[in-house]
Amino acid sequence: EAQVTQNPRYLITVTGKKLTVTCSQNMNHEYMSWYRQDPGLGLRQIYYSMNVEVTDKGDVPEGYKVSRKEKRNFPLILESPSPNQTSLYFCASSSLGLGGYTFGSGTRLTVV
Amino acid sequence: GIQVEQSPPDLILQEGANSTLRCNFSDSVNNLQWFHQNPWGQLINLFYIPSGTKQNGRLSATTVATERYSLLYISSSQTTDSGVYFCAVLYGGATNKLIFGTGTLLAVQP
Repeated sequence: EAQVTQNPRYLITVTGKKLTVTCSQNMNHEYMSWYRQDPGLGLRQIYYSMNVEVTDKGDVPEGYKVSRKEKRNFPLILESPSPNQTSLYFCASSSLGLGGYTFGSGTRLTVV
Repeated sequence: GIQVEQSPPDLILQEGANSTLRCNFSDSVNNLQWFHQNPWGQLINLFYIPSGTKQNGRLSATTVATERYSLLYISSSQTTDSGVYFCAVLYGGATNKLIFGTGTLLAVQP
């Protein structure tokens, strides 16, 4: 089944403790992206990647890092999480120029 | 930048009723998708529909790109249709970014 897999689904952590949210897709898509969703602010893009080793900032990149060492994986790294990063996070992938986006199931992160 | 507006913002239906959700966008787009966000927060892809009409069971969608709007039709609604419906457009540019509409919150009552 074609899908985007995110882990974990739920995470509660403390301020300053580094964490990684994993994202993997099995559709051989070139493009991958991270979004966060907050009440009243909608979905905002954090980072995106056009292909392996090609990443760039989205609208709200502060406090986040990403890497794209393999085509299928696009982890989101929070080096020093803060409470304002409490949010619902989505990973997505697409084939550039063809078809639509496929989203992962989401990761609900709480930073206390 | 491009504006994506959805209407109505909220909708309450009785089970079995039909509804039409609208998405207006302010500029030409390369792609348009409809998503359903269920009460558990998952974003479910309903339609990839840059133009034309598609149907999937009780749901159908129509996009008139030249007039910059899209419609999502839900027929014989069920309680499991509850949630937020988003349209999202792929705006021209190097980032390939999806821009989401404001959403329609649908509640289907038994």
